[in-house]
Amino acid sequence: GENVEQHPSTLSVQEGDSAVIKCTYSDSASNYFPWYKQELGKRPQLIIDIRSNVGEKKDQRIAVTLNKTAKHFSLHITETQPEDSAVYFCAASSGGQNFVFGPGTRLSVLP
Amino acid sequence: KAGVTQTPRYLIKTRGQQVTLSCSPISGHRSVSWYQQTPGQGLQFLFEYFSETQRNKGNFPGRFSGRQFSNSRSEMNVSTLELGDSALYLCASSLVVSGSYNEQFFGPGTRLTVL
Repeated sequence: GENVEQHPSTLSVQEGDSAVIKCTYSDSASNYFPWYKQELGKRPQLIIDIRSNVGEKKDQRIAVTLNKTAKHFSLHITETQPEDSAVYFCAASSGGQNFVFGPGTRLSVLP
Repeated sequence: KAGVTQTPRYLIKTRGQQVTLSCSPISGHRSVSWYQQTPGQGLQFLFEYFSETQRNKGNFPGRFSGRQFSNSRSEMNVSTLELGDSALYLCASSLVVSGSYNEQFFGPGTRLTVL
């Protein structure tokens, strides 16, 4: 079955700096990769996603890149702000609603 | 539209008991997935229901079961509770449009504590 690894597990950056979170997956059939943000005590929410026919996608300060050959995808957050502090989860799916999540990255943005 | 709701929000049980959790999806969403969230394991997929049928299942023991009703509401049951079952249980609903990937909308979760 699919296995998703995520690094780092914790990440601290200064406000205004960039943050990068990387995920690798094992199943070459996976073709949809969403990223979720979970603030403390709240539910996970989708922030960006990418499909296998696209190499990069941007939405304001966040972007996701996908390397299908290497089976890895990354989340990039630029100009980080304190409200970006949260746990971020990557996930992979090869179809339907069957998602495998990474273990999460706790991002802290220091003022 | 109202979001995904889960009841109860908090539950305390003792080992050996059983528990039933409920999830009401967003109106019109026919897919409901269940996840177990623990600090060390992240989000672990339990199962997914669509049109009252279990479509996908994760690697959890048979003590974990679920069902979906005709109004898409779903319940999850855990029998013979163990200490390790203490976790936040999240459900997520999706619209499911054929041929595309659909965003999962998560509920607030039910925090289960097994003593």
